[in-house]
Amino acid sequence: GDSVTQTEGLVTLTEGLPVMLNCTYQTAYSTFLFWYVQHLNEAPKLLLKSSTDNKRTEHQGFHATLHKSSSSFHLQKSSAQLSDSALYYCALNNNRIFFGDGTQLVVKP
Amino acid sequence: ETAVFQTPNYHVTQVGNEVSFNCKQTLGHDTMYWYKQDSKKLLKIMFSYNNKQLIVNETVPRRFSPQSSDKAHLNLRIKSVEPEDSAVYLCASRLQYNYAEQFFGPGTRLTVL
Repeated sequence: GDSVTQTEGLVTLTEGLPVMLNCTYQTAYSTFLFWYVQHLNEAPKLLLKSSTDNKRTEHQGFHATLHKSSSSFHLQKSSAQLSDSALYYCALNNNRIFFGDGTQLVVKP
Repeated sequence: ETAVFQTPNYHVTQVGNEVSFNCKQTLGHDTMYWYKQDSKKLLKIMFSYNNKQLIVNETVPRRFSPQSSDKAHLNLRIKSVEPEDSAVYLCASRLQYNYAEQFFGPGTRLTVL
């Protein structure tokens, strides 16, 4: 069945270092992938999305590229900021919606 | 203001009571959702609903039921709450096409004593 896997439950890193949060998926249908970010005591909101194979999409300093060959949609940023500390969800849309378990990113000074 | 609104923000109740949570969206969307976000921050879809079809996650206990008066409102009723129902309940809406993003409300935090 369809699913989304985020392998890291918690990622802790120092400000200024690069960020990479992993997301892989499984589906036999159309591929629409999303990253949502949830800051503390706030609602999740869209960070970026893609349905185009091998095309980089960017927003607010983050970027991700959908690779259908490896069923991946990893989230990256070149330099972490303290304000990036949040919970990040990867999600797959086809006729239904599937969320990964989320990755808590903690950025320390 | 166009957004997803939820009431109440918090609710504390005792085991066995009935509770209802409200959700309204002013975004003109045709599909609404209820999610449960537990203490581990796992986001579990409970129901999705447009004015044509209700889809229930088969793992949701039968004491949970969605109630909709129109496509802008989707309420959640829990008939007899249990301790494991303590969580944040998030309402979301979107347009029903695959590339459409979801817009989430601020959530209702339920504590069952």
